[in-house]
Amino acid sequence: SQTIHQWPATLVQPVGSPLSLECTVEGTSNPNLYWYRQAAGRGLQLLFYSVGIGQISSEVPQNLSASRPQDRQFILSSKKLLLSDSGFYLCAWSGGTGANGYTFGSGTRLTVV
Amino acid sequence: GESVGLHLPTLSVQEGDNSIINCAYSNSASDYFIWYKQESGKGPQFIIDIRSNMDKRQGQRVTVLLNKTVKHLSLQIAATQPGDSAVYFCAENIGGGYQKVTFGIGTKLQVIP
Repeated sequence: SQTIHQWPATLVQPVGSPLSLECTVEGTSNPNLYWYRQAAGRGLQLLFYSVGIGQISSEVPQNLSASRPQDRQFILSSKKLLLSDSGFYLCAWSGGTGANGYTFGSGTRLTVV
Repeated sequence: GESVGLHLPTLSVQEGDNSIINCAYSNSASDYFIWYKQESGKGPQFIIDIRSNMDKRQGQRVTVLLNKTVKHLSLQIAATQPGDSAVYFCAENIGGGYQKVTFGIGTKLQVIP
């Protein structure tokens, strides 16, 4: 069966520090991968999606970047965090041929102080 | 732009009663709709989905209704239980070579014991 792993679960980082959040998927090949951010009490905002290795699409201009060095690995990064980067970050995957919906990771709670 | 939104941000329901969560969508090209449940501090979990060629689909204690005429989607939960307390998101997807799902803001369901 397919599983998605996301870590760390919580992270407190100072303003101006770098960020690296990792997401890996098991049990499937060539998944579509996504990074979402969820501000407190708000909906899900799509940040990046990837349909293959090295293929990254950005949905909104921001202080973050994403990379996909391997088929089942998706990384969210920042060189210098801002206070506004705080939030709940969710990784998700979906099948590339119309599999039903997304499967989400457990999320990372990022607090920038 | 095209979007998916929810009518009620918060819904309080007595335990044992039925819950109805509503959602409006504006993109008539959307062909696939999904309901997700998100418990506090966790990633969203798939509940039930429905394709645009259907108007009703039933699961275990949940029913999704789709009214394409008025672009309205609803999630009905029968005999609501305390464990149903969560934020519920509707989402729309437009078919293509990859999936990119648009989420609504979410409705918080509070079950009163």
